[in-house]
Amino acid sequence: GQQVMQIPQYQHVQEGEDFTTYCNSSTTLSNIQWYKQRPGGHPVFLIQLVKSGEVKKQKRLTFQFGEAKKNSSLHITATQTTDVGTYFCAGPVWYGGATNKLIFGTGTLLAVQP
Amino acid sequence: NAGVTQTPKFQVLKTGQSMTLQCAQDMNHNSMYWYRQDPGMGLRLIYYSASEGTTDKGEVPNGYNVSRLNKREFSLRLESAAPSQTSVYFCASSGGGAGQGYEQYFGPGTRLTVT
Repeated sequence: GQQVMQIPQYQHVQEGEDFTTYCNSSTTLSNIQWYKQRPGGHPVFLIQLVKSGEVKKQKRLTFQFGEAKKNSSLHITATQTTDVGTYFCAGPVWYGGATNKLIFGTGTLLAVQP
Repeated sequence: NAGVTQTPKFQVLKTGQSMTLQCAQDMNHNSMYWYRQDPGMGLRLIYYSASEGTTDKGEVPNGYNVSRLNKREFSLRLESAAPSQTSVYFCASSGGGAGQGYEQYFGPGTRLTVT
């Protein structure tokens, strides 16, 4: 079945260091979404990428969608303690020509040491 | 605007007991979802409802039932709880399907322990 994997599972950085998480899908995606979940919280939507090779930025966060639309990455420049949490990518699950469902990646837990 | 609300926030059940998790959204969304989250497993879809009056199975439906009561409310029922159902349960809603690019809005979650 369709799978979405993320690496690494866990990353510990010193505040001010950069961080990158990678997302890989077993199938081509029509779009990819990124969510952030703070410890003890719920997932919150960050951004959606649709076009092949698309790059979007949100302040210190840079999101990229691969040319083949099967992979994506999230890069955080100069991490802060507020960046702590688990980052998930998610893509549509196609079933019978249409989809309402998302399949979530396994997530990357980011710990930031002050 | 409360967004997506879930009750209860915490629950402890004994094996074999039943319970219903409630979810409501006030964003006039068509689609609603139930996920469970276990350590290291990410979010797994239990059931979803693409629109009022329809429900469909997700990745891990066994042991659960759902009801889309109306456009606002989507409940998840555990008929006979098992320790393997110890998890954090999230309800989510979206304006439309993921394939059409709609993002999902999540509730605060229910932390369920089955002993």
